[in-house]
Amino acid sequence: GQNIDQPTEMTATEGAIVQINCTYQTSGFNGLFWYQQHAGEAPTFLSYNVLDGLEEKGRFSSFLSRSKGYSYLLLKELQMKDSASYLCAVLDSNYQLIWGAGTKLIIKP
Amino acid sequence: IAGITQAPTSQILAAGRRMTLRCTQDMRHNAMYWYRQDLGLGLRLIHYSNTAGTTGKGEVPDGYSVSRANTDDFPLTLASAVPSQTSVYFCASSERAGAETQYFGPGTRLLVL
Repeated sequence: GQNIDQPTEMTATEGAIVQINCTYQTSGFNGLFWYQQHAGEAPTFLSYNVLDGLEEKGRFSSFLSRSKGYSYLLLKELQMKDSASYLCAVLDSNYQLIWGAGTKLIIKP
Repeated sequence: IAGITQAPTSQILAAGRRMTLRCTQDMRHNAMYWYRQDLGLGLRLIHYSNTAGTTGKGEVPDGYSVSRANTDDFPLTLASAVPSQTSVYFCASSERAGAETQYFGPGTRLLVL
C-alpha cells in the first residue's frame, strides 16, 4: 500500500527553527509537494521537489532524498503566522497525489 | 480574479437526500479534483478530471459522481447522502494533470445527519 508518514503535532518557539519530516512509501515517485493549511482554510502550495537536494525559498526550505523516501520542510525565523498544518504529498506513478495527514505546528511566543 | 469558488460554504443534510456541491474556476485550468478531508486523515481524492469531457475515479469514489461539461465547472453529487460522508470537501484545479501545483477552493463543510 501507499503510505505517507509525518508527525501529528510539533511545538516551536517564535524566532526559532523547526524541521518537519515526511517519509513515504508509494507506487512510483514523480515529485513531492509541501502545502500549508491554516485552520479552517484551504491548503496553499509551499514547495515542490523532484530531484534530491535542498530547495530554498525565503524562510522555508524543502529537502528530498529519493533513495531514503524522505523529505523535510525547514522553517526559519518562525513567526506566529506560521502556526498551521503542513501537508506532505507525493505524486505517484499514476500522477495522483497521495497526502499525509499533516503536521500541526504550534508556535509559542 | 476569484480563482476557485465553491458553494455552499456549509450545509446540514438529512441522510438519504441528494446534494450537489458546486465548484467553479476562472483560471482556465485543464485539470480539476475533488477531495475530502477528515480529522486525522490526509486529503483523499474522490474524483478527478484531466480535461473537459473526461472524468476519473480517485481513492474514495463510492457514493459520489461528477461531471465536466466545460472547463470551468466541476460539480460533485452525492446521490443519497449517508452520515459517513460528513466531511470537509475541497475542490482543486491545476493547469494540467501531472506534476503541477494544485490550487484549492475554500471548501464546503458538510454534515449529514
